[in-house]
Amino acid sequence: AQSVTQPDIHITVSEGASLELRCNYSYGATPYLFWYVQSPGQGLQLLLKYFSGDTLVQGIKGFEAEFKRSQSSFNLRKPSVHWSDAAEYFCAVGNNDMRFGAGTRLTVKP
Amino acid sequence: EAGVAQSPRYKIIEKRQSVAFWCNPISGHATLYWYQQILGQGPKLLIQFQNNGVVDDSQLPKDRFSAERLKGVDSTLKIQPAKLEDSAVYLCASSVGTSGSNEQFFGPGTRLTVL
Repeated sequence: AQSVTQPDIHITVSEGASLELRCNYSYGATPYLFWYVQSPGQGLQLLLKYFSGDTLVQGIKGFEAEFKRSQSSFNLRKPSVHWSDAAEYFCAVGNNDMRFGAGTRLTVKP
Repeated sequence: EAGVAQSPRYKIIEKRQSVAFWCNPISGHATLYWYQQILGQGPKLLIQFQNNGVVDDSQLPKDRFSAERLKGVDSTLKIQPAKLEDSAVYLCASSVGTSGSNEQFFGPGTRLTVL
């Protein structure tokens, strides 16, 4: 059965520092992988997605993620975090049967 | 282009009462999803429609939850009777088609509190 694990429930980083959010998945075939962001009171917004090809994908708002098949991981990164990046981040896996992780809440310190 | 619309945004009911949520997807999107997001968890797919047909409802508690998408556009999700554990945000999403390569666009959600 497919599943997604986000090991970090809450991460705090200083503004301007780099960020990496971890995501590990279990899926029977080559998965479609996604990262979504959810700000308070907002719906989920797609940051980036991976289907095939180049394992380093670029997304919106300066985010990128790297697919590592050997580690079953799809970690999200950003070189310099802005205060507006504070939100909940969800990793998801699947085709037409999307499964979400529990989320990582990001706090940004001034 | 208008996004996915949901109403109401907030609802408070007592247990054993019934409640209904409404979703209007992005125009032209054939696929519509309902998710349940319990506090501290990721969204869980309840039901997926392709036009007015159900594609996947394997995680829908059918003894109390029902959903319909008449005419293949708007959709309604109903809970009857509600339980305390149904307190959650109910998210509606839509996409062009059922393939996982199609981006899902999410509405703002309806926050349900069951007392």
